[in-house]
Amino acid sequence: QQPVQSPQAVILREGEDAVINCSSSKALYSVHWYRQKHGEAPVFLMILLKGGEQKGHDKISASFNEKKQQSSLYLTASQLSYSGTYFCGTAALGGATNKLIFGTGTLLAVQP
Amino acid sequence: DTEVTQTPKHLVMGMTNKKSLKCEQHMGHRAMYWYKQKAKKPPELMFVYSYEKLSINESVPSRFSPECPNSSLLNLHLHALQPEDSALYLCASSHLSNYNEQFFGPGTRLTVL
Repeated sequence: QQPVQSPQAVILREGEDAVINCSSSKALYSVHWYRQKHGEAPVFLMILLKGGEQKGHDKISASFNEKKQQSSLYLTASQLSYSGTYFCGTAALGGATNKLIFGTGTLLAVQP
Repeated sequence: DTEVTQTPKHLVMGMTNKKSLKCEQHMGHRAMYWYKQKAKKPPELMFVYSYEKLSINESVPSRFSPECPNSSLLNLHLHALQPEDSALYLCASSHLSNYNEQFFGPGTRLTVL
């Protein structure tokens, strides 16, 4: 089953903060976060592993609640360049660690 | 070189045609992926190659045939496609490690008439 993201869409002014949530029905090994701008390829932002390891962006942070099978992406002091669709990609615990199932997506628009 | 390249950028084909999509990376990644993405939807995994061997096939119809000739190249051969197969086809690559962050190519926009 596909992870569910919330909100589906959000509009921000530059400098405002946003939180994007990703919820899975399965126990997870890892959560990846990607941003995709219109007409472009998804770009890797962050990865969070079971056990607390993280790797990724220095201006965007994320959390991973293994027990709740949820992850949140925190965008602070948003910039125009943050606009795009954000996807979480989840790898199930016990499955192939590189088999990602992408979430439903969150469209973020940052306005001047 | 930190880029995944895909050719062609656009492809229009009839339902009786045979065509191929090509993907290339020179980052030393030993895992390569094909995804299908419909408009306003997330990427859907189709195939994964690990060390040039097919490791995951997400029950993709046989009209899609992947091939990994070497560690840098990935092909997707297309035959007798249906109009509903029209989509953006994305290739990605990654190391095989705990992290597996995937680097995506720009995609091939496929239209089946």
